[in-house]
Amino acid sequence: EAGVAQSPRYKIIEKRQSVAFWCNPISGHATLYWYQQILGQGPKLLIQFQNNGVVDDSQLPKDRFSAERLKGVDSTLKIQPAKLEDSAVYLCASSLSGTNNSPLHFGNGTRLTVT
Amino acid sequence: QKEVEQNSGPLSVPEGAIASLNCTYSDRGSQSFFWYRQYSGKSPELIMSIYSNGDKEDGRFTAQLNKASQYVSLLIRDSQPSDSATYLCAVIGGSQGNLIFGKGTKLSVKP
Repeated sequence: EAGVAQSPRYKIIEKRQSVAFWCNPISGHATLYWYQQILGQGPKLLIQFQNNGVVDDSQLPKDRFSAERLKGVDSTLKIQPAKLEDSAVYLCASSLSGTNNSPLHFGNGTRLTVT
Repeated sequence: QKEVEQNSGPLSVPEGAIASLNCTYSDRGSQSFFWYRQYSGKSPELIMSIYSNGDKEDGRFTAQLNKASQYVSLLIRDSQPSDSATYLCAVIGGSQGNLIFGKGTKLSVKP
């Protein structure tokens, strides 16, 4: 079974620039998550999709962050404009159904550095 | 935002000892609890889940849950240097039932 694919692995940008991350979940997984993990912290949920609909985006800074999941498969997360405090690892995860008993499978993440 | 609290460590134990990792949570309605292991520079991987009070054993790992005390722990028996990692406690909570992570405890097993 192929895992969750993310790209790029690393990205360095200057503040006020824009950046986009891509995620391809495990085949057949209906639920997709984007997490932000700042160094020394646990992952924080940014947005959760069920198929191509948003379930929860309450912690997504909507003035600068946007995400979409077209056709209920791949997803992109965009930051525009980036701030220094956005430096973090952005983790994509997927699960079969999004229920309590459906474990999350994480991708390798994209490490973003904003200078 | 519901809280999940962990001691950030580092927790250092000698090889072969028992490592004990602790976690408390604030949402009394939480029903599902997980331990993830995260090696440096890698993504989290699920190692244990527990849903009812008591102990759950899987190989060298034992998860313990006490809902009355809002406390969940992970014991690692016969600790190995390869167990050195950050252990993240995660709880299903909040109005949306999302997975909320603690900050993690860094474990170091010395040979």
